[in-house]
Amino acid sequence: KNQVEQSPQSLIILEGKNCTLQCNYTVSPFSNLRWYKQDTGRGPVSLTIMTFSENTKSNGRYTATLDADTKQSSLHITASQLSDSASYICVVSARLAGNNRKLIWGLGTSLAVNP
Amino acid sequence: DGGITQSPKYLFRKEGQNVTLSCEQNLNHDAMYWYRQDPGQGLRLIYYSQIVNDFQKGDIAEGYSVSREKKESFPLTVTSAQKNPTAFYLCASSRGNEQFFGPGTRLTVL
Repeated sequence: KNQVEQSPQSLIILEGKNCTLQCNYTVSPFSNLRWYKQDTGRGPVSLTIMTFSENTKSNGRYTATLDADTKQSSLHITASQLSDSASYICVVSARLAGNNRKLIWGLGTSLAVNP
Repeated sequence: DGGITQSPKYLFRKEGQNVTLSCEQNLNHDAMYWYRQDPGQGLRLIYYSQIVNDFQKGDIAEGYSVSREKKESFPLTVTSAQKNPTAFYLCASSRGNEQFFGPGTRLTVL
């Protein structure tokens, strides 16, 4: 069964600290993996998209890693800011017949950055 | 929110009434999507459309209907047949692998 599991479910850190969020998946066949940031009551915003051949991808203070062998990804946030408080969602795309894709969404990690 | 608008932001309806949620995009994307988000669950796909005048059911289409008469617009109707309509509804459009989301509509059925 295609599944995406994220940990921890929630996390509280102090402003300026680093943190790492985890994503484990059992999606097959794999197409790509995405990390989204979703502020409360808003739509998700894409942070990174990683294909099978990419190990690391950065977007400012956000760095995503992908280990396709162990089917794990992480999102590292450096020097956290109050505005980083949000839900971070891991999404894995499965390749289907033809040119079709199916997205499998994780439940997200709720991050709170406190002053 | 990148060129995708959803209206209204909050919507209240009485049980048994149909309600239509608006989604407009000016990104010139062919594909558009409707998702539902509930607490403790990942986003679930309701309907999607790859091109004008064509749409496909997603994982939870029962009780919903859509139309795609124009490239820019993909309205979603929540019918009285939907057993649990109270939720946060998200519209998205896509170019290649990337999806862009609207701000969402929170529907509450009283």
